[in-house]
Order: sequence, then C-alpha cells, then structure tokens
Amino acid sequence: DTAVSQTPKYLVTQMGNDKSIKCEQNLGHDTMYWYKQDSKKFLKIMFSYNNKELIINETVPNRFSPKSPDKAHLNLHINSLELGDSAVYFCASSRTATRQETQYFGPGTRLLVL
Amino acid sequence: SQKIEQNSEALNIQEGKTATLTCNYTNYSPAYLQWYRQDPGRGPVFLLLIRENEKEKRKERLKVTFDTTLKQSLFHITASQPADSATYLCALDGSSASKIIFGSGTRLSIRP
Repeated sequence: DTAVSQTPKYLVTQMGNDKSIKCEQNLGHDTMYWYKQDSKKFLKIMFSYNNKELIINETVPNRFSPKSPDKAHLNLHINSLELGDSAVYFCASSRTATRQETQYFGPGTRLLVL
Repeated sequence: SQKIEQNSEALNIQEGKTATLTCNYTNYSPAYLQWYRQDPGRGPVFLLLIRENEKEKRKERLKVTFDTTLKQSLFHITASQPADSATYLCALDGSSASKIIFGSGTRLSIRP
C-alpha cells in the first residue's frame, strides 16, 4: 500500500527518444507535482496539478508535457530526450494546494539519456 | 529573486552529539518552513513544519527554530545516531499557492 508510486524506477534511453513516467497516489490528495532533482541534488518543481487542473508550470521546455487523467494520477511525457534531461524525477502529492501542506514524495524515476 | 542556502554541503559528527543544520534565505518572507529527510535512492520525507509566528518546534529528538529577523532556520538533532545519517532539505513556501522551494540539502553523517 505505497502512498505515492512511480513507474518505471529506472529508465535508460537514447537521445531523441520519447518516454513517459507514470505516477499514482492513493492518499486521496487533490494536488500532485513533478520535480526534477539534478546531479547536485537540487530539487526543482516542474509542474503542479490541482484536481486535474494545471496550476504551476515552471520554465520547462515544452518537450515536457504532464497529463492528469484524474486526481490520483499525474503522468509526465518527454519528447525528443536530450542529454541534459538525465536526472531523477520525483512525483509528489499534497492534500490541498494551500501553502502549508506537507508533500508526500514517490521513490523517484532515474532517467539516463545516452 | 528568492534564494535559499543550506550552508553546509556535508556535516560529519560523532554519535551522541547534537547535529545542527542551517537554512538561510534572502529576498523572501516565507509564511512556513519545512524540513525533509532524504535517504539515498529515495524521495524526501517530511519531518517538521514551522510557521513564521512560531519560534521553535519540537518532535522527539528533533528541534527546529525559525528566526524571521535573521532569515534563518536551524534544525537540531539531539543524541544523534548513525541511523540519522541522511540528506536534510529545508523548504520554504513559494510565492504562489502549493509551490515549495527546496534548498540543496546538507548531507549529515553520524559516525559511531
């Protein structure tokens, strides 16, 4: 009964390919997020959805496209992968979108672009 | 622009001592500050939240302070144990709803 789960855990692919990462939360939360953690361990927000609506869209290349089919799922599709996309991608959720909410993180997807 | 600094990339202390980690911020007036723990190969896990009108918060061996004048938070682990070894991240609420900004973390190692 994992709270926030992501698949796959590891993803190794060639430059130029298109790939997707899936995320699901069973906490009944309204808000979900995608973060990117680079080699220097900086955790940066990419997107946030609240009840399937996009509410945060940081300066992310439009090769990255999130999709939220329902409030328990938030997937991330990446087109034309580049070497610089190599990182760990974390999905997270929070009960609501208010500022003081605790965030619950998934285990991460380690993406390596060759 | 908003800036968060955790001024030690790594901290190495003896078991039983108190570990103190620092989080400083500039160009910013957060209403809340959170601390997370991240173990290798895992996602961050929430530890404590402190509000701007609270000076101190405790949870078991953990203590967090929040000084809005100094723009600083201190995170203390008393009676540290090797199992406390991890990376600790401070996080501040961002300018918009639901956005949290994370520091780069301090890697804490507790040696037996």
